[in-house]
Amino acid sequence: EAQVTQNPRYLITVTGKKLTVTCSQNMNHEYMSWYRQDPGLGLRQIYYSMNVEVTDKGDVPEGYKVSRKEKRNFPLILESPSPNQTSLYFCASSKGLAGTGDTQYFGPGTRLTVL
Amino acid sequence: SQQGEEDPQALSIQEGENATMNCSYKTSINNLQWYRQNSGRGLVHLILIRSNEREKHSGRLRVTLDTSKKSSSLLITASRAADTASYFCAPAFSGGYNKLIFGAGTRLAVHP
Repeated sequence: EAQVTQNPRYLITVTGKKLTVTCSQNMNHEYMSWYRQDPGLGLRQIYYSMNVEVTDKGDVPEGYKVSRKEKRNFPLILESPSPNQTSLYFCASSKGLAGTGDTQYFGPGTRLTVL
Repeated sequence: SQQGEEDPQALSIQEGENATMNCSYKTSINNLQWYRQNSGRGLVHLILIRSNEREKHSGRLRVTLDTSKKSSSLLITASRAADTASYFCAPAFSGGYNKLIFGAGTRLAVHP
């Protein structure tokens, strides 16, 4: 089954404790991205990757890191989480660039709470 | 802001009625996609309309695009309780190939 998986689905942590949210897709997609969703703000892109070893900042990259060492995986790293990073996070992938009309496939989401 | 803006923010209807949601944007687009999100879950692609198209259908969904007014609408006919979800438009702006920009969405509630 074609899918994007994220782990963990729920995470409660404390300020400053490094964490990683994993994202994996099995569709051989070139393009992957991370979004955060906050009430009233819609989805905002954090980082995206157009291929292995190619990543770039989205609209809200501060406080986040990513890597793309393998085509299927695109982990999101919070080196020193803060309470303002409490949010619902989504990973997404698509065959081609997001703006060309290729369907974005979203993961199930990771609900992060930073105390 | 380049994002699409959905209107209304919330819509409440009875089963069997039609639901219409609108999306406005400010700059030229290559295409526009509509997505649905069930509560707290990942977004699911519904339909894509390209800038040279005016209308598309998919089952009970009808999407229109008016590039002169910079607006799109999503019509769900004969709605069902299972259509209860948030709906987002995502315009793909000319030159902005690397991302879709989502608005805050329309929350649709369909009552049995």
